Amino acid sequence: RKEVEQDPGPFNVPEGATVAFNCTYSNSASQSFFWYRQDCRKEPKLLMSVYSSGNEDGRFTAQLNRASQYISLLIRDSKLSDSATYLCVVNVARSYIPTFGRGTSLIVHP
Amino acid sequence: GAGVSQTPSNKVTEKGKYVELRCDPISGHTALYWYRQSLGQGPEFLIYFQGTGAADDSGLPNDRFFAVRPEGSVSTLKIQRTERGDSAVYLCASSLLPGQGYEQYFGPGTRLTVT
Repeated sequence: RKEVEQDPGPFNVPEGATVAFNCTYSNSASQSFFWYRQDCRKEPKLLMSVYSSGNEDGRFTAQLNRASQYISLLIRDSKLSDSATYLCVVNVARSYIPTFGRGTSLIVHP
Repeated sequence: GAGVSQTPSNKVTEKGKYVELRCDPISGHTALYWYRQSLGQGPEFLIYFQGTGAADDSGLPNDRFFAVRPEGSVSTLKIQRTERGDSAVYLCASSLLPGQGYEQYFGPGTRLTVT
């Protein structure tokens, strides 16, 4: 089983839709969690950190479920510009090495 | 301010040749990471530097791969006797400090093609 698993998609949604992605992790010692966004043929960029209590940034909401070992990203009112690959990143406690998921591809169409 | 830069942006080489890929991190960032990304996959960790020393090189696939960061700033990833399977995008990232709370800033990558 991979350390970090994501459904590669693609998720194909119309503008204005709400879409959610999950990411599961296998190591119960995982301590910090992030979502990165990667546009086609570009580098990854931090979208948001994921806090235990959940956090929101505009149309984006991230949540952590430690019991079931997954994190989620919810995007409301999808825009064409949200089309990208969303990478889940997990850090195990006392490790400086992040583990990236393979990414989930989102395509928002008119 | 200037972000992470990588050169060259593209490199085509023949099987068996030696290549060097360069990363110039954000000024003042002590932590530097190298990753390799293949199509449809997430970045795969190769090596991590804290200052000048390689703090963790457990991701290097074999001894053909080597990286240095002699002055704690610019880093070079070196690949000897390249193989077609080495073809990928090589990403460099830096962060202010190592550790889990610090954002990693990625460079645009070097696309390596081994023919």
